[in-house]
Amino acid sequence: AQTVTQSQPEMSVQEAETVTLSCTYDTSESNYYLFWYKQPPSRQMILVIRQEAYKQQNATENRFSVNFQKAAKSFSLKISDSQLGDTAMYFCAFMKHQGGSEKLVFGKGTKLTVNP
Amino acid sequence: GAGVSQTPSNKVTEKGKYVELRCDPISGHTALYWYRQSLGQGPEFLIYFQGTGAADDSGLPNDRFFAVRPEGSVSTLKIQRTERGDSAVYLCASSPRARVAGELFFGEGSRLTVL
Repeated sequence: AQTVTQSQPEMSVQEAETVTLSCTYDTSESNYYLFWYKQPPSRQMILVIRQEAYKQQNATENRFSVNFQKAAKSFSLKISDSQLGDTAMYFCAFMKHQGGSEKLVFGKGTKLTVNP
Repeated sequence: GAGVSQTPSNKVTEKGKYVELRCDPISGHTALYWYRQSLGQGPEFLIYFQGTGAADDSGLPNDRFFAVRPEGSVSTLKIQRTERGDSAVYLCASSPRARVAGELFFGEGSRLTVL
């Protein structure tokens, strides 16, 4: 079974600064996807960024980028130029690369607070 | 509306009662998912529908939990003989047929409290 571990329950950062959230995972699969989802107080989960394991190049989406280390099974999220609207829970998630069910396995989350 | 709609937003019930939670996915989305998020935890997969059929129900914790999607759009999660441990936020998500793998569109959830 796959597991996802987020070792930082809470983090804070000053507005406009950079913050990195950590995630490690355990799997015997060779092909899979990794994700970061954001959950603001409204509870609605929103996809932030996605990485396919067979791609060596780290994914980027505007101010969000990842550091994907496949051998170390590490998948950290870097948020640059932090904004107040980035305040939320952030969940790292894993999904096997297979047809049919897209079952996401989530970590416990990191609560990020961006301070003015 | 444009997003996934879940009702009720909050539900308080007594132990042993029956509960139904409703999910109205984004129009045209063929896949529908239910997740459960307990306090301080990440969401846990419950069940996945492709069209009207449950393609994967491996996450349902026991036979008190059941979900249907009779016409391939709206889904109802049904919980019989509720227990205090069922208290959680139940999240619904949908995705289109031609989708980016893992990109689910979530609703705001239904918070269930069992007293």
